[in-house]
Amino acid sequence: DTGVSQDPRHKITKRGQNVTFRCDPISEHNRLYWYRQTLGQGPEFLTYFQNEAQLEKSRLLSDRFSAERPKGSFSTLEIQRTEQGDSAMYLCASSARSIGGNEQFFGPGTRLTVL
Amino acid sequence: AQTVTQSQPEMSVQEAETVTLSCTYDTSESNYYLFWYKQPPSRQMILVIRQEAYKQQNATENRFSVNFQKAAKSFSLKISDSQLGDTAMYFCALISNFGNEKLTFGTGTRLTIIP
Repeated sequence: DTGVSQDPRHKITKRGQNVTFRCDPISEHNRLYWYRQTLGQGPEFLTYFQNEAQLEKSRLLSDRFSAERPKGSFSTLEIQRTEQGDSAMYLCASSARSIGGNEQFFGPGTRLTVL
Repeated sequence: AQTVTQSQPEMSVQEAETVTLSCTYDTSESNYYLFWYKQPPSRQMILVIRQEAYKQQNATENRFSVNFQKAAKSFSLKISDSQLGDTAMYFCALISNFGNEKLTFGTGTRLTIIP
């Protein structure tokens, strides 16, 4: 399967702990996105990479959140000192270089539960 | 800022019937793209159909078609000959052609196809 993969699929953690999620995009895609989806809502943009450069971060991404994409391949999203409000599905998507409007391919998501 | 509104939280229709999902949006950009994404239960999000704002012709993909009314900022999805596999959350989304390529999603419509 050459689609977008995410690991882990589920994560349960206690408040205050740090968690890290991984996303492997489609290999030839240079753009990578992180979104957060809470129950009953559509996904909300968190951050965006073009190759290894993080080009935009949403105001939703507090100082406790950090994302990296070393070497322009896989990406990690780390949440430090988790809070119950961080409980959500974290979605990763990738797309190919384009002027605009290219399809974003989504991974299955990582569901985070903070107790 | 751009917004996407889906006013139908839930819909249901008999198998083989036609159903229309509504979406309105707002953006200050003159060129943009509109999308309908499908998120089946416990499965990843996939693109259903895409419309470029500068194209007047409505996009179609097999049983799926859109009614794009640019002046009214309306973008509805019609599913013809609905099938059980169409049961899913459907999200309307918007992307600007300028700057980043982040998707702005609506809150979704949960569609159930009844056998």
